[in-house]
Amino acid sequence: EAEVAQSPRYKITEKSQAVAFWCDPISGHATLYWYRQILGQGPELLVQFQDESVVDDSQLPKDRFSAERLKGVDSTLKIQPAELGDSAMYLCASRQVRHLDEQFFGPGTRLTVL
Amino acid sequence: AQSVSQHNHHVILSEAASLELGCNYSYGGTVNLFWYVQYPGQHLQLLLKYFSGDPLVKGIKGFEAEFIKSKFSFNLRKPSVQWSDTAEYFCAAGYTSGTYKYIFGTGTRLKVLA
Repeated sequence: EAEVAQSPRYKITEKSQAVAFWCDPISGHATLYWYRQILGQGPELLVQFQDESVVDDSQLPKDRFSAERLKGVDSTLKIQPAELGDSAMYLCASRQVRHLDEQFFGPGTRLTVL
Repeated sequence: AQSVSQHNHHVILSEAASLELGCNYSYGGTVNLFWYVQYPGQHLQLLLKYFSGDPLVKGIKGFEAEFIKSKFSFNLRKPSVQWSDTAEYFCAAGYTSGTYKYIFGTGTRLKVLA
């Protein structure tokens, strides 16, 4: 069964350092989402891609966060510099564009900023 | 603004008890509704979804949910829970506003006592 892959699964960093997360969506899924999930809350959308284009980054803190999906397949989310409040689970999800189907989630990257 | 509310943050039940988790959404247009489950140490996975048609939808593992349009609700039910249902449950709404987006509720943490 196809799955969304994410790496690393865990990341510990010190504040002011740069971190990067990688996501490989299910093959053929044109839509890719990055979410942030703070403990005790639901996922909140950070950025949405359609193929290689960003279609929604209204909730992305652009002063420190960036995301790219250069070839319309895998994607990278970067934080520079990391702050204590960035500690959270970062989830990637993908969805086919042809049908209003559900999104499939990866296992997430748990980030701890010290 | 669009939102999804889950009324119960923590629920503790004994095995064989019946379960109902509340979910209300706020959106004036057409929405699709989802329930996701996150078992300990695992990624989010779909329990069930509603797009149209019969408002009573059945999902995996004996779960069902009823869409009541007049109440803007999509409550999750299971007649008899098992210890293995211990997990966090998230209600989500999907809607189109430029792009297709999802909003998640804050989640309900269910603990089933053996």
